[in-house]
Amino acid sequence: EAGVTQFPSHSVIEKGQTVTLRCDPISGHDNLYWYRRVMGKEIKFLLHFVKESKQDESGMPNNRFLAERTGGTYSTLKVQPAELEDSGVYFCASSHASGTQRTQYFGPGTRLLVL
Amino acid sequence: AQSVTQLGSHVSVSEGALVLLRCNYSSSVPPYLFWYVQYPNQGLQLLLKYTSAATLVKGINGFEAEFKKSETSFHLTKPSAHMSDAAEYFCAVIRSNDYKLSFGAGTTVTVRA
Repeated sequence: EAGVTQFPSHSVIEKGQTVTLRCDPISGHDNLYWYRRVMGKEIKFLLHFVKESKQDESGMPNNRFLAERTGGTYSTLKVQPAELEDSGVYFCASSHASGTQRTQYFGPGTRLLVL
Repeated sequence: AQSVTQLGSHVSVSEGALVLLRCNYSSSVPPYLFWYVQYPNQGLQLLLKYTSAATLVKGINGFEAEFKKSETSFHLTKPSAHMSDAAEYFCAVIRSNDYKLSFGAGTTVTVRA
């Protein structure tokens, strides 16, 4: 069974540019999450999808961040325009729908550097 | 709000020595508890999880953790460290009525030959 995949693995952009990160969850996982780790800080929750619906986006920093999950499959996280403080590692995770199956499986992350 | 405290941002152990990483959580109701590991240049990998079954949980690579409700702790141990255990370790919790993970700050383990 394939794990969670993320693309790209690294991205270096200039301030003001746009970047789109992609996450493909484990097949059959209805729940998809985005997390971020800014340098020197804790890993923080960004948002949670159940299928194609945003269940919780309380962690999204501001309206420069837009997440989508078309058709309940893969998800994208777009940052527009990027700022210096957006640099960090963006992780995607997925889990089963069942309430007792809370285990989240993570992808390798996308390392974003905004110059 | 759920919080997780990992005591010690860096731990250095000798090869073959005990590895002990401390994690305490704040919650009136026992949450779901996890330990994840991040090896250099890799993503987060699940080591083990506690979901209200046995209080002593065994994970991969010889790691185990014990849930102690009275101490609100979920410390991670491995009897004998190996060079390949050098990594960053994260304790994380999910409240019983929630889905999102709250992470500790992480503990970096270095193993001395």
